[in-house]
Amino acid sequence: GQQVMQIPQYQHVQEGEDFTTYCNSSTTLSNIQWYKQRPGGHPVFLIQLVKSGEVKKQKRLTFQFGEAKKNSSLHITATQTTDVGTYFCGGNFNKFYFGSGTKLNVKP
Amino acid sequence: DAGVIQSPRHEVTEMGQEVTLRCKPISGHNSLFWYRQTMMRGLELLIYFNNNVPIDDSGMPEDRFSAKMPNASFSTLKIQPSEPRDSAVYFCASSFGTIGGDTEAFFGQGTRLTVV
Repeated sequence: GQQVMQIPQYQHVQEGEDFTTYCNSSTTLSNIQWYKQRPGGHPVFLIQLVKSGEVKKQKRLTFQFGEAKKNSSLHITATQTTDVGTYFCGGNFNKFYFGSGTKLNVKP
Repeated sequence: DAGVIQSPRHEVTEMGQEVTLRCKPISGHNSLFWYRQTMMRGLELLIYFNNNVPIDDSGMPEDRFSAKMPNASFSTLKIQPSEPRDSAVYFCASSFGTIGGDTEAFFGQGTRLTVV
């Protein structure tokens, strides 16, 4: 079964709107990673979170790791058309699992 | 560095044929991963190697799938015999770390396999 759940599956936003994707696990994770995959491309590493409650920012992207290390979120402020793609979280407990991904479409 | 190199980029084969996918990891990386991506099942970890040794192959679907890493710069994923349900994009990734998923993984461009 799916070890790392990710929602929503799809998100369509107007350019300039915010976007958030959520990642949840029933098991405490040792770390969580986020990747972005452009249409027709391959996953590209964005960031890794390790500490409970950790928050990291990359320009318009904000990543959070929950206090219990069972959930994480990626928030994009003021989306741009270049943000289009699928965002995957990946969590590690006894094995590394990717979430199902959130496909983001940004309308100009 | 050219990154992780996979070949071929596209493969179309008939059911029952043997298929071999190839991967050259980034020089200096000691972990190598094979993933399969489909619309239905998303990104699935098939197997991963650390220092050329298979550490976890629990994701390999069945005996038709096998993977080898004869040296630090080359790995293969073989499907014999291939079936239409094996159609997917297969990614190879490499990283420098001691366990899977503890450091940044670099993905290759993928091999799009179609079995007819």
